[in-house]
Amino acid sequence: GAVVSQHPSRVICKSGTSVKIECRSLDFQATTMFWYRQFPKQSLMLMATSNEGSKATYEQGVEKDKFLINHASLTLSTLTVTSAHPEDSSFYICSAPHLAGVKGDTQYFGPGTRLTVL
Amino acid sequence: AQSVAQPEDQVNVAEGNPLTVKCTYSVSGNPYLFWYVQYPNRGLQFLLKYITGDNLVKGSYGFEAEFNKSQTSFHLKKPSALVSDSALYFCAVRDQAGTALIFGKGTTLSVSS
Repeated sequence: GAVVSQHPSRVICKSGTSVKIECRSLDFQATTMFWYRQFPKQSLMLMATSNEGSKATYEQGVEKDKFLINHASLTLSTLTVTSAHPEDSSFYICSAPHLAGVKGDTQYFGPGTRLTVL
Repeated sequence: AQSVAQPEDQVNVAEGNPLTVKCTYSVSGNPYLFWYVQYPNRGLQFLLKYITGDNLVKGSYGFEAEFNKSQTSFHLKKPSALVSDSALYFCAVRDQAGTALIFGKGTTLSVSS
């Protein structure tokens, strides 16, 4: 299957600092990528849709000024958590749809980034 | 609105026995249904999907799922469980190609030796 990478896999930062997470589709192009957040033992919650060449689309309740998304190329989307606070600590996962054949696309997920804000 | 229900928080089976992880869905149009598996502190791995065609879908690692339109279900099954199948399983749905997935809350599968 297609491969999606994320970097870093784990980051610890002080409250008030900003953290950038990269999501790359390694062997396919993705005009759209998705960012999810997962709390311990809970499901994935969609945060935003990253669109190459245009603004990201945020889900209700997600602060666009806090979670900055940039889809710089057809293989790279970045999520920047600005002025991070302890409540932003979570597992962030990106995904990218890969079209294979006529039976619709499959979303492939990155390995996730564990963010801990002290 | 789309939604997915996984009624069981945890499923326990003995190694070698068949397993079933339940999923029901609600969408306004035709469903695109997916199963993913997640190991601790890892991303999601794609197992299988239903888009159209045969109701029985076969996927990775010996897993299969049956689409039942009348019951709006897409249960995940495996004839013989392995200890290594122990993980968190997510059912997901969308109603259009290329859009984000809506996930169920997840079911923890525990296979004992």
